[in-house]
Amino acid sequence: GQNIDQPTEMTATEGAIVQINCTYQTSGFNGLFWYQQHAGEAPTFLSYNVLDGLEEKGRFSSFLSRSKGYSYLLLKELQMKDSASYLCAVSPNAGNNRKLIWGLGTSLAVNP
Amino acid sequence: DVKVTQSSRYLVKRTGEKVFLECVQDMDHENMFWYRQDPGLGLRLIYFSYDVKMKEKGDIPEGYSVSREKKERFSLILESASTNQTSMYLCASSPPGDGYTFGSGTRLTVV
Repeated sequence: GQNIDQPTEMTATEGAIVQINCTYQTSGFNGLFWYQQHAGEAPTFLSYNVLDGLEEKGRFSSFLSRSKGYSYLLLKELQMKDSASYLCAVSPNAGNNRKLIWGLGTSLAVNP
Repeated sequence: DVKVTQSSRYLVKRTGEKVFLECVQDMDHENMFWYRQDPGLGLRLIYFSYDVKMKEKGDIPEGYSVSREKKERFSLILESASTNQTSMYLCASSPPGDGYTFGSGTRLTVV
């Protein structure tokens, strides 16, 4: 089967750093996505990794290890507005259809 | 910026009604998707389409149908709404080889 695991909930303090992990077992691999979703809103794209290593984009970074089936999203200098659900998704297929496999999301609460 | 527009933000319908949820994207994307999202169950794919008049079942197609007569529009139809179809419905589109852009969602309540 195809499976993505991520922690259900995390809590962190404003100004701190938090790492959200994601492990996957899929039939193939053609890239991993991270999305942010605030309560009652649609998911918005954060990052995409297809090769091993770290991709940095401002306060957010995403890491991928294909051999380990593992990724993490690193959030630095946490702000209250970072309180949201973070979704990990994998594309198992090359080609046009890009049907993603989704994790259930990690709900992050940032406290003052 | 790519825009994906869903026709209604909130909708209340009666059991047995036929319900149409509309989604329009303005960036000529080939792929379009309909998901529902429920607490504890995450995003579940209902149907998707990667060309006009083409559709494929996702993981939970029962009780739903779709229509894609034009590239920019992908409609989700609940043939006979039931209370277990109360949910947040999310439409998304993507070009080949890229991530999704989601619409703002429709929160449907069936009473």
